[in-house]
Amino acid sequence: EVQLVESGGGLVQPGGSLRLSCAASGFTFSDYWMHWVRQAPGKGLVWVSLIDSDGSSASYADSVKGRFTISRDNAESTFYLQVNSLRVEDTAVYYCARGIRGARGLDYWGQGTLVTVSS
Amino acid sequence: QSALTQPPSASGSPGQSVTISCTGTSSDVGHYDYVSWYQQHPGKAPQLMIYEVSKRPSGVPDRFSGSKSGNTASLTVSGLQAEDEADYYCSSYAGSNKLVFGGGTKLTVL
Repeated sequence: EVQLVESGGGLVQPGGSLRLSCAASGFTFSDYWMHWVRQAPGKGLVWVSLIDSDGSSASYADSVKGRFTISRDNAESTFYLQVNSLRVEDTAVYYCARGIRGARGLDYWGQGTLVTVSS
Repeated sequence: QSALTQPPSASGSPGQSVTISCTGTSSDVGHYDYVSWYQQHPGKAPQLMIYEVSKRPSGVPDRFSGSKSGNTASLTVSGLQAEDEADYYCSSYAGSNKLVFGGGTKLTVL
């Protein structure tokens, strides 16, 4: 059974940093591109970032480029999102998801981790 | 990277059919056959319902179907059931290894 479990969310002040993690199981992690998607309270889904299967290539939404960094550890079946220079508008539930043949869609999602940016 | 356009709400009675549209541009929906649809119940994670415009993952009822014409994709839910009441989001590959989502449609079963 495919499982994705996020962790690392919490309350942080504007300008602060967090490292979100997504632990994967139930599939060959190193075969898949992985994604982060966020959802602000009461709002819609917004794609944030992806990383390819071996970690050699990453892509970001314009709104987070330069502040967020995605990475992965295939030996640990885990990938990460380092979120820096956080803004109030980054407050959201952050979901990790598995890509379908790269970036053709997202077939499995975690339950999400809440990041709250507030002073 | 503008969001795809979805109607904010849709509704239908049990047993009826409802169609939700998702309008993009010639750079995303119109260019790639990589449109997906997701169902999200309150407080839950999204669930994939349709991928690559019209393919259904195993376990998704065949009451859910997808199509595309030009820059607009559509999700049709036939034989509406109470449990179909949820938020629905479309997404499309937008080139350069980026995805874009629609703003979401709240489906109400009357």
